[in-house]
Amino acid sequence: GESVGLHLPTLSVQEGDNSIINCAYSNSASDYFIWYKQESGKGPQFIIDIRSNMDKRQGQRVTVLLNKTVKHLSLQIAATQPGDSAVYFCAESRSAGNMLTFGGGTRLMVKP
Amino acid sequence: DADVTQTPRNRITKTGKRIMLECSQTKGHDRMYWYRQDPGLGLRLIYYSFDVKDINKGEISDGYSVSRQAQAKFSLSLESAIPNQTALYFCATSDTGKRYGYTFGSGTRLTVV
Repeated sequence: GESVGLHLPTLSVQEGDNSIINCAYSNSASDYFIWYKQESGKGPQFIIDIRSNMDKRQGQRVTVLLNKTVKHLSLQIAATQPGDSAVYFCAESRSAGNMLTFGGGTRLMVKP
Repeated sequence: DADVTQTPRNRITKTGKRIMLECSQTKGHDRMYWYRQDPGLGLRLIYYSFDVKDINKGEISDGYSVSRQAQAKFSLSLESAIPNQTALYFCATSDTGKRYGYTFGSGTRLTVV
């Protein structure tokens, strides 16, 4: 069935480096994508979203890139900090406000 | 106060017991969801509700039931708990047609012994 998946279950980066977390999706009808961050012991929290009519969207230290041709989504974190250590989920839906399908998650570990 | 509140935060129960997990929200959102999270398996949808009179099964509804008592309240019950229902349970809310996806609660860690 349609699904959203992640390439790397664990990503370890040095503090100060940039991080890139990837996500593949298979539903060509997906129109809206979100990245969530889940810290230990907490629920997932919204980081950034992007609609399918965009290729790139920037937030504070984060950038989401969308490549519709290959159905690929990535989250870039600039100057990764220890507080960025968490599990990151991508999610997709047919449109904003519709039900989300979540990927399996990637654990980001930041080494001091 | 949190926008989405789950109670209890932690619970240990015995096999065969009935247990209820509660969720309340102050977001004013119309949609509510229950997810289960197991290590390495991400989030799996148990049940969801688009309105007070609407209940829908998710991908793993067997062994669970829900009740949407009011727009702000959505409870999840395990009728007869079994050890493989040991997991982290999340309630989430969303608003139809709006951005930002779901707002999640802090989770309930359930252990069935």
